[in-house]
Amino acid sequence: KAGVTQTPRYLIKTRGQQVTLSCSPISGHRSVSWYQQTPGQGLQFLFEYFSETQRNKGNFPGRFSGRQFSNSRSEMNVSTLELGDSALYLCASSFRGLDSGNTIYFGEGSWLTVV
Amino acid sequence: QKEVEQDPGPLSVPEGAIVSLNCTYSNSAFQYFMWYRQYSRKGPELLMYTYSSGNKEDGRFTAQVDKSSKYISLFIRDSQPSDSATYLCAMKTEGAQKLVFGQGTRLTINP
Repeated sequence: KAGVTQTPRYLIKTRGQQVTLSCSPISGHRSVSWYQQTPGQGLQFLFEYFSETQRNKGNFPGRFSGRQFSNSRSEMNVSTLELGDSALYLCASSFRGLDSGNTIYFGEGSWLTVV
Repeated sequence: QKEVEQDPGPLSVPEGAIVSLNCTYSNSAFQYFMWYRQYSRKGPELLMYTYSSGNKEDGRFTAQVDKSSKYISLFIRDSQPSDSATYLCAMKTEGAQKLVFGQGTRLTINP
């Protein structure tokens, strides 16, 4: 069974540009969440999508956005990139069924460097 | 004050030692507790998952949750050099998919 797949794995962008990251969840999983990981702040929740709707949002500026497609695949976008956006962006998927405590699995992440 | 506190280490122990990793939290609504292992430049890998209080064992790993003290632990027995990684505790409330993470503890097992 394939895991959570994220693309691209590595990318370098210039300040002011925008970036789009993609995530394919585990087959059958309908919830996709995004996290930002930095050495200083650790892992921080960005947002969660379920059934193509944003269900929860973390404390990040509006430059960070996302969407989910009908096949549960998700994208996140960061506009007007800043140096501080350099981070590992992680996608997580879960089934999110009646048992809301179900397990959450992470992809390998997309390493974004802003120069 | 952070919702979840975890000693960042680094922690270095000899091969074969018992390792104890801990987190404390402040939000009494947390019901689900997880430990993830993250190797350098990799995504977090789920190690242990526990609901509410109690112990859970899986091979060399044991997870403990004490909700009365708001304290969770991960024990690694017979530690191996391949266990060298950053260990992250994470927790969430009922009905939510948002995980709140500790800072992670960097662990090195010396052969």
